[in-house]
Amino acid sequence: KNEVEQSPQNLTAQEGEFITINCSYSVGISALHWLQQHPGGGIVSLFMLSSGKKKHGRLIATINIQEKHSSLHITASHPRDSAVYICAVRLTGNQFYFGTGTSLTVIP
Amino acid sequence: NAGVTQTPKFRILKIGQSMTLQCTQDMNHNYMYWYRQDPGMGLKLIYYSVGAGITDKGEVPNGYNVSRSTTEDFPLRLELAAPSQTSVYFCASSLGPGNTIYFGEGSWLTVV
Repeated sequence: KNEVEQSPQNLTAQEGEFITINCSYSVGISALHWLQQHPGGGIVSLFMLSSGKKKHGRLIATINIQEKHSSLHITASHPRDSAVYICAVRLTGNQFYFGTGTSLTVIP
Repeated sequence: NAGVTQTPKFRILKIGQSMTLQCTQDMNHNYMYWYRQDPGMGLKLIYYSVGAGITDKGEVPNGYNVSRSTTEDFPLRLELAAPSQTSVYFCASSLGPGNTIYFGEGSWLTVV
């Protein structure tokens, strides 16, 4: 049983499309992180949120604590957005659970 | 800014050999972590440290050891390498538990 479930596992989109990646979790959390893993392997933190919504450029992250659900949206997708997007939840203290990631490919 | 630097990037080990993955950060972060990432699996925490001289086990610590003699460095030691330790290893750091996590570029380790 995974504490963090992401959907879809794989996603292919045409350039310019609006993309949504979902994350559901089954434990009480203090924060949720969205990470981006580039094809070369490096991992970058995109968002950390504990309530509401955050926006950075074309990326928007939302979280519904009551429903234990978060979404990552990408507007006007571009081939450089192609990466694996990972949802991670932090419990109290230093315990994290990571999703297995959503592999996104954006086709020109 | 160098951020989190880990070495080596690639390594092949024979069963039973030992090695150390080096990790250093220049952001004066208190918290440092070692994760492993296996194909199709989420990142798993091996060990973490909340400050110099303090380390604690994560979810999958068996076969590994760590030390934290300085704020900057958090090396991961593999003793008696086994094929099950073939994985990609990520070092990470954060100022505190509620802060953004910064990751190293990863170390690809193969045990044959």
